Amino acid sequence: QKEVEQNSGPLSVPEGAIASLNCTYSDRGSQSFFWYRQYSGKSPELIMFIYSNGDKEDGRFTAQLNKASQYVSLLIRDSQPSDSATYLCAVKKVTGKLIFGQGTTLQVKP
Amino acid sequence: DGGITQSPKYLFRKEGQNVTLSCEQNLNHDAMYWYRQDPGQGLRLIYYSQIVNDFQKGDIAEGYSVSREKKESFPLTVTSAQKNPTAFYLCASSINRVGYEQYFGPGTRLTVT
Repeated sequence: QKEVEQNSGPLSVPEGAIASLNCTYSDRGSQSFFWYRQYSGKSPELIMFIYSNGDKEDGRFTAQLNKASQYVSLLIRDSQPSDSATYLCAVKKVTGKLIFGQGTTLQVKP
Repeated sequence: DGGITQSPKYLFRKEGQNVTLSCEQNLNHDAMYWYRQDPGQGLRLIYYSQIVNDFQKGDIAEGYSVSREKKESFPLTVTSAQKNPTAFYLCASSINRVGYEQYFGPGTRLTVT
C-alpha cells in the first residue's frame, strides 16, 4: 500500500464545474497536508495547506480534511481551462518528512 | 525578488560523468531539499538539510551527494554510481523545520546518455 494515494486520472470536467480531487494516506499520525499544482514541464506550486479537520477555503479552492477517514480532498469551483494541470497531494508524516502522491491529472474542457 | 533558483534548466551528460546541479534560495529558509521526479511518478526525496553543515539522506540517496556550506546554497552532485540518473530534479526550501510548507525551484531536467 502506498503511503499517499491519488487516482492518476485524468479527471475531466467541463468549464465552470466543480472539480473534486481526492487523496488518502496511511500514517494516522500525519499532521499537515498540502496540495500542489504542477503544469506540464514545470515545478510544483503550493496552492493550499490544511492542518485541522474540516474545510479551508481560499478563493475558488477548498481543502477538506477528515483525519478519522485519513482522507484529504481539494475542490476547485468554477473550473477554468487554466486549472488543467496535475495536482499533487503531500502529507507530512510524524517523522517530519513530506510524502507525495503520484498526482491526479485534471483536464478542464472549454 | 525572493525565490529559489536552479541552474541549468537543461543538462546533458554522458554516462560515467559526475554532474552538479545548483540550487540557491534568498528566502532565508533554514531547510532545503532535493527531489527527483520520473514520468508518471510522484516526487521522491534524495537528500535534505535543516541547517548549515548538516544534511540527511532521503529515500533514494544512493548515487548522490550534497553539501550545505551556506544557508542559501544546497548543490546536488549526481555521481556515476547513480544507475538511472535521467530525471527532473527539483530543489525546495522551507522555514524552520522539515515538513513545513515547501516551495520549489523551477527544476533541472537532466538527461544522461
